[in-house]
Amino acid sequence: QKEVEQDPGPLSVPEGAIVSLNCTYSNSAFQYFMWYRQYSRKGPELLMYTYSSGNKEDGRFTAQVDKSSKYISLFIRDSQPSDSATYLCAMSPSGTYKYIFGTGTRLKVLA
Amino acid sequence: GAGVSQTPSNKVTEKGKYVELRCDPISGHTALYWYRQSLGQGPEFLIYFQGTGAADDSGLPNDRFFAVRPEGSVSTLKIQRTERGDSAVYLCASSFRAGGSKDTQYFGPGTRLTVL
Repeated sequence: QKEVEQDPGPLSVPEGAIVSLNCTYSNSAFQYFMWYRQYSRKGPELLMYTYSSGNKEDGRFTAQVDKSSKYISLFIRDSQPSDSATYLCAMSPSGTYKYIFGTGTRLKVLA
Repeated sequence: GAGVSQTPSNKVTEKGKYVELRCDPISGHTALYWYRQSLGQGPEFLIYFQGTGAADDSGLPNDRFFAVRPEGSVSTLKIQRTERGDSAVYLCASSFRAGGSKDTQYFGPGTRLTVL
C-alpha cells in the first residue's frame, strides 16, 4: 500500500463547477500538506500549503486537512478551463524535507 | 525573481551512455532537491542537499546515480550506464532552508530523459 493515495482521474467538469480533489494517507507523522498544480510538460507549481489540521483559503482555492481521518482535500470554486491540469498532493513529516507525493489527479474543465 | 531552471529541457541518449542534468536553484535558497517523475506518477524523492553536502541520498535507486553541488548553488545529477528504465522527467526543487514550517519547495520545469 502506498503512503499517499490519490485517484488519478481524469475528472471532467463543466466550467463554473466546484471541484473536489482528495488524497488519503497512512503515515500519521505527516504534518505538512501541499497541493501542487502541474500543467502538461511543466514542473509542479505550489498552490496551497497547510500545516497540521484545518482549512486554508486562497482566492478560489480551499485546502482542508482532517488528520483524524488521514484525509486532505482541495476545493476549486468557479472552475475555469485554465484550471485544467494535474493536481498533486504532497506531504511531509514535521521538520523533514522529503515530500511524499500522490500520483496526481488529472482535471479537465470544459468550456 | 527567476525560478528554478533546469537544462537541458530534453535529453535523448542511448542505453549505456553517461548523462548529466543541471539545476540552477532560486537565488538565496540553500536547500536543493532532486526528484524523478515517471509517466502517470507523482515525483519521487532522490536526493537532498543542504549547502554543498548531500544530506540525504536515500532515494537514489543505485550507484549509477550520483549528484553534486560543489559551490552550494548549481547542482548536477549524473547517471552512468543509462538504462531504458531511467527514462523519466527529472525534477529539481529548491527551498530557502529545509524542514522548517515555511520552507516549501519550488520546482523547476524538469529534464525529460529518454533512454533508447
